[in-house]
Amino acid sequence: GENVEQHPSTLSVQEGDSAVIKCTYSDSASNYFPWYKQELGKGPQLIIDIRSNVGEKKDQRIAVTLNKTAKHFSLHITETQPEDSAVYFCAAVYTGNQFYFGTGTSLTVIP
Amino acid sequence: DTAVSQTPKYLVTQMGNDKSIKCEQNLGHDTMYWYKQDSKKFLKIMFSYNNKELIINETVPNRFSPKSPDKAHLNLHINSLELGDSAVYFCASSQGGALYEQYFGPGTRLTVT
Repeated sequence: GENVEQHPSTLSVQEGDSAVIKCTYSDSASNYFPWYKQELGKGPQLIIDIRSNVGEKKDQRIAVTLNKTAKHFSLHITETQPEDSAVYFCAAVYTGNQFYFGTGTSLTVIP
Repeated sequence: DTAVSQTPKYLVTQMGNDKSIKCEQNLGHDTMYWYKQDSKKFLKIMFSYNNKELIINETVPNRFSPKSPDKAHLNLHINSLELGDSAVYFCASSQGGALYEQYFGPGTRLTVT
């Protein structure tokens, strides 16, 4: 069925290390892939997004890569800091503007 | 100023009751959404709505209904509440639909006893 798979579900890294979260989607017509960060007790907030005509996008310590052939995309966070600790959600927009979130990754950055 | 606001922040009620959650956005956006986040943090879209089209997730029970008095408001009405409705409900808005950034409210934690 239509879904967005996200891995891992939990991730712990030492401060300063990199974190990578991967997502796969099933609708080959999908053309928009945002990433949201949800801090405890708050609503999700967009941190970066990528469209299907681009293979990679970077914003300071955050980058997203997209492989349309394989139907997967990844979030890369470099030089992690304690304030990066949160739940991260990938998402994909399917045909007909159907929006689906991934299952979430709880990231803990250990000082 | 809060971009997307929801009231109440917490709602505790008994099974069988009818309740509403209000959402307002002051961003001038044309599309609003309701999401349900369960205890495992899974986020699932329930509705998306602009002044032309209501898209309903087919898995949402018809006890749930969105009502939009105007472009800046999308309220969520829930009839005959069940234990399984306990969750955090988020309202969001965007300009131009699902292909653009969504701004989320702070959430409403609903507990059904």
